[in-house]
Amino acid sequence: GNSVTQMEGPVTLSEEAFLTINCTYTATGYPSLFWYVQYPGEGLQLLLKATKADDKGSNKGFEATYRKETTSFHLEKGSVQVSDSAVYFCALPLNTGFQKLVFGTGTRLLVSP
Amino acid sequence: DVKVTQSSRYLVKRTGEKVFLECVQDMDHENMFWYRQDPGLGLRLIYFSYDVKMKEKGDIPEGYSVSREKKERFSLILESASTNQTSMYLCASSLRGRIASSTDTQYFGPGTRLTVL
Repeated sequence: GNSVTQMEGPVTLSEEAFLTINCTYTATGYPSLFWYVQYPGEGLQLLLKATKADDKGSNKGFEATYRKETTSFHLEKGSVQVSDSAVYFCALPLNTGFQKLVFGTGTRLLVSP
Repeated sequence: DVKVTQSSRYLVKRTGEKVFLECVQDMDHENMFWYRQDPGLGLRLIYFSYDVKMKEKGDIPEGYSVSREKKERFSLILESASTNQTSMYLCASSLRGRIASSTDTQYFGPGTRLTVL
């Protein structure tokens, strides 16, 4: 099945710094790609997704572009806030035709004032 | 608004006890999932159900069973809890059944942090 590799954390930044969290994948075909976020004490929630190559997903100032040439889906934000402190997971379907997702190990982001 | 609820946020049980974790979704979703989340390991799928009374094993089903008698409810059962089952358990649901679009989003509950002493 498909797989995903995500950069290890924690990533520690000051407020207003630029954020990149790397995600690369191995997949058959061109599946949808997802970023999920988990705020402290909560479950995961979808942050953004891209459904085909060259698509850019965006939400809450975060962006990620589906790049088939480099098999990457890096998460970026131009200016992080303390409230962005969370764990971020990259994910894609395990295989075609089914609903199972495979998740990266998660990257913890810590933003200080 | 989409909602997945889990019966408890925190649970403490003793080794050997039978433990039930309940999950309910109100979105008429066909798929439901149970994951466990451990530091450094990310999310691992325990069981998956794509319809009432249908289930499939995930990556780590050993020591667990599930029940789905109604579409909206998916239960995870630890037949005899052990200390290595101390973890965060997350339930999720998604819209379509076994053959589905790869664009469907999974919606997660808030999680149950289970401690087995």
